[in-house]
Amino acid sequence: EAQVTQNPRYLITVTGKKLTVTCSQNMNHEYMSWYRQDPGLGLRQIYYSMNVEVTDKGDVPEGYKVSRKEKRNFPLILESPSPNQTSLYFCASSTSDPLGGTDTQYFGPGTRLTVL
Amino acid sequence: QQPVQSPQAVILREGEDAVINCSSSKALYSVHWYRQKHGEAPVFLMILLKGGEQKGHDKISASFNEKKQQSSLYLTASQLSYSGTYFCGTERSGNTGKLIFGQGTTLQVKP
Repeated sequence: EAQVTQNPRYLITVTGKKLTVTCSQNMNHEYMSWYRQDPGLGLRQIYYSMNVEVTDKGDVPEGYKVSRKEKRNFPLILESPSPNQTSLYFCASSTSDPLGGTDTQYFGPGTRLTVL
Repeated sequence: QQPVQSPQAVILREGEDAVINCSSSKALYSVHWYRQKHGEAPVFLMILLKGGEQKGHDKISASFNEKKQQSSLYLTASQLSYSGTYFCGTERSGNTGKLIFGQGTTLQVKP
């Protein structure tokens, strides 16, 4: 089954304790992204990746790191989490459409993070 | 820069129609539309490429006015299953994977 998986689904942590949220897709997609969703603000892109070893900042990258060492995996790293990073996080993957744009984005189930 | 969606929320009765708008201040390459049910991940509805293309799927269709950098999503004869939050995602250039989403429009369909 084609899917994007994220782990963990729920996480409660304390300020300053490094954490990693994993994301994996089995569709051989080139593009992968991380979003955070907060009430009234919609989905805001944190980082995106066009392929292995190619990543770029989205609109809200501060406090986050990513890496893309393999095509299928795109982990999100919070080196020193703070309470303002409490949010719902989505990973997504997509391929390019025949005309060069971004095709359908497939979203993972989400990770609800609480930083105390 | 985030596209602006309007209205922020709408309540309908089953069978009524609705229009959700998405506006950008920048030139766009494509517009995506997604629907998110409460507690779930967003799900793809359709993509529109620059060129004023209009697409449809069942009773949901959309248009894209490239000159105005606007897209509209049309929900015809709404069903209870249409309830959720609708997001437009805009792409300014191809081959990047960079999609900027609006703040969302919450649609509630009542019996």
